[in-house]
Amino acid sequence: QSALTQPASVSGSPGQSITISCTGTSSDVGGHNSVSWYQQHPGKAPKLMIYDVSNRPSGVSDRFSGSKSGNTASLTISGLQAEDEADYYCSSYRSGSTRVFGGGTKLTVL
Amino acid sequence: QVQLQESGPGLVKPSGTLSLTCAVSGGSISSTDWWSWVRQPPGMALEWIGKIYHSGTTNYNPSLKSRVTMSVDKSMNHFSLQLSSVTAADTAVYYCTRDSSNYYDYWGQGTLVTVSS
Repeated sequence: QSALTQPASVSGSPGQSITISCTGTSSDVGGHNSVSWYQQHPGKAPKLMIYDVSNRPSGVSDRFSGSKSGNTASLTISGLQAEDEADYYCSSYRSGSTRVFGGGTKLTVL
Repeated sequence: QVQLQESGPGLVKPSGTLSLTCAVSGGSISSTDWWSWVRQPPGMALEWIGKIYHSGTTNYNPSLKSRVTMSVDKSMNHFSLQLSSVTAADTAVYYCTRDSSNYYDYWGQGTLVTVSS
């Protein structure tokens, strides 16, 4: 089962905005509005940041936003802060009632 | 507030069966949500293993389907994972999660399972 494609790493300076992409196919990202994003700090469990492409759970900063175009979903973090440095994973529903994760992106705050 | 806690052996011998249980507290396993297992080999990405509903209905990752069995115990409010014929490639942190309409909103802390003789 092939994973969704994410860049291995992205970086930005405090205050800047960055975008992480997540590319799949029409069987997952492109065919369903069920993309979610997770933040994972070292040694910790992942934390839900975005669900259903662009919705934020209660308690998640509005600096985090999500979108989708075709087979690619994106997570944008604005006003970058040191605490945002972490690994980020996308996930999608995949036809056949299964799930798939992306390969993960390491965000470095310079 | 739902809480999840994984438990099980931290060391499994090659060719053996990995068995983990996830205890659910603060909510009922018989809710309208599904319950999933996700794993993460050291330094690698998350991988979805499969999900189970309180009725016992399951969906598994096609790449693991032949070796995975999930079950649910409503009386104990927990669900379980069995992975057979394990190899070193199955060494990972295993997480249990609540699968709420195609996203994972609650996670256990994770448990490291090492496959080694």
